Amino acid sequence: EIVLTQSPATLSLSPGERATLSCRASQTVSSYLAWYQQKPGQAPRLLIYDTSNRVTDIPARFSGSGSGTDFTLTISSLEPEDFAVYYCHQRYTGYTFGPGTKVDIK
Amino acid sequence: QVQLVESGGGVVQPGRSLRLSCVASGFTFSNHGMQWVRQAPGKALEWVALIWYDGSHENYADSVKGRFTISRDDSKNTLYLQMDSLRVEDTAVYHCAKDLSAGSGWSGAWGQGTLVTVSS
Repeated sequence: EIVLTQSPATLSLSPGERATLSCRASQTVSSYLAWYQQKPGQAPRLLIYDTSNRVTDIPARFSGSGSGTDFTLTISSLEPEDFAVYYCHQRYTGYTFGPGTKVDIK
Repeated sequence: QVQLVESGGGVVQPGRSLRLSCVASGFTFSNHGMQWVRQAPGKALEWVALIWYDGSHENYADSVKGRFTISRDDSKNTLYLQMDSLRVEDTAVYHCAKDLSAGSGWSGAWGQGTLVTVSS
């Protein structure tokens, strides 16, 4: 099973700051990686798929990059509604999620 | 708009069975692969199972293989998850999700979930 590791576990930032979230796979997932956002009491929302493709209606401040085993989700300037938990997800071999990164307000 | 509404959750004893349903609307159900993903209280997401748009292929997480069965009824726009031999560690909110686009494999829309509690 491919294990996804996310870092940091918690990211404390202020609105307007840049957020950089990391996801590392235990073996290559090629470009088959996605990012989800989840707010308390809500279902997850798909933000980015196939490493860098933004879903329709997702703001341009969200971007994804990487390949193979190392991936990054960047939020260029945090808005108040961006404080949430972010999960990476691979479907290259089986399907697994990372443990999540919580982005909270500093 | 796309709507996915899960039902069938509840409290059940270890070893018993439960069947979850997910009624879909707002899209052509028969064109889309569907998945179940669960989330134990306070924990991360865990992928459970998927079924192709035509029902020809299923895949399961190792943790549920042999105990859970995913199925679909396109005439009712409904996805199911039959859960047998339930364990305490199956306690979670179960979400159904649809492919972002036909054949994409990514879960682009999710239901709010139904809570399954396995406890004696």
